[in-house]
Amino acid sequence: ILNVEQSPQSLHVQEGDSTNFTCSFPSSNFYALHWYRWETAKSPEALFVMTLNGDEKKKGRISATLNTKEGYSYLYIKGSQPEDSATYLCASSSVYSTLTFGKGTMLLVSP
Amino acid sequence: EPEVTQTPSHQVTQMGQEVILRCVPISNHLYFYWYRQILGQKVEFLVSFYNNEISEKSEIFDDQFSVERPDGSNFTLKIRSTKLEDSAMYFCASSDTSENTGELFFGEGSRLTVL
Repeated sequence: ILNVEQSPQSLHVQEGDSTNFTCSFPSSNFYALHWYRWETAKSPEALFVMTLNGDEKKKGRISATLNTKEGYSYLYIKGSQPEDSATYLCASSSVYSTLTFGKGTMLLVSP
Repeated sequence: EPEVTQTPSHQVTQMGQEVILRCVPISNHLYFYWYRQILGQKVEFLVSFYNNEISEKSEIFDDQFSVERPDGSNFTLKIRSTKLEDSAMYFCASSDTSENTGELFFGEGSRLTVL
């Protein structure tokens, strides 16, 4: 089981603010890093799967970066909207270990 | 859009009873998973299933747990004799490639309450 940590635990921003969260994971034997968006009463929805050091992926106003050498990934949301309110889960796997999830960052965007 | 469906959405059971949670993965997916989340804790891996057999399981997945794909569409999780600590939200997921590089498609979860 990997040690995957996410920060902050929760975040409250105003509509229009840009924000970012961090996911840290063990860098040794790294295999893949996943980001999921989880709205209350719905199923977690995949945002990104990244495998290569330096990967940057973008989906609309949301983007993510990956640093496998130092073991972290950032998720950025530009111009947050109330509909971005959700828990953002990060999960990492290694060559020897299955996907392990962090506790998530709960984002609340107020109008 | 294809989706993973789970039933029941909520089940309440007495300690010691058997429970079966059902999942219908996306039809062309080959890899199936069960995860659970105890309230306030992380999402935890239970088991992965590929080619009609368990490919990996966690320490949580002891002899009380079993999985089955009985008819080519359903993927079930059975808890033989439930304990209080089995109370959690159980998520089924499927993928068209191995979970390490392919995104997982999750169901909405089955909430199990053991009294």
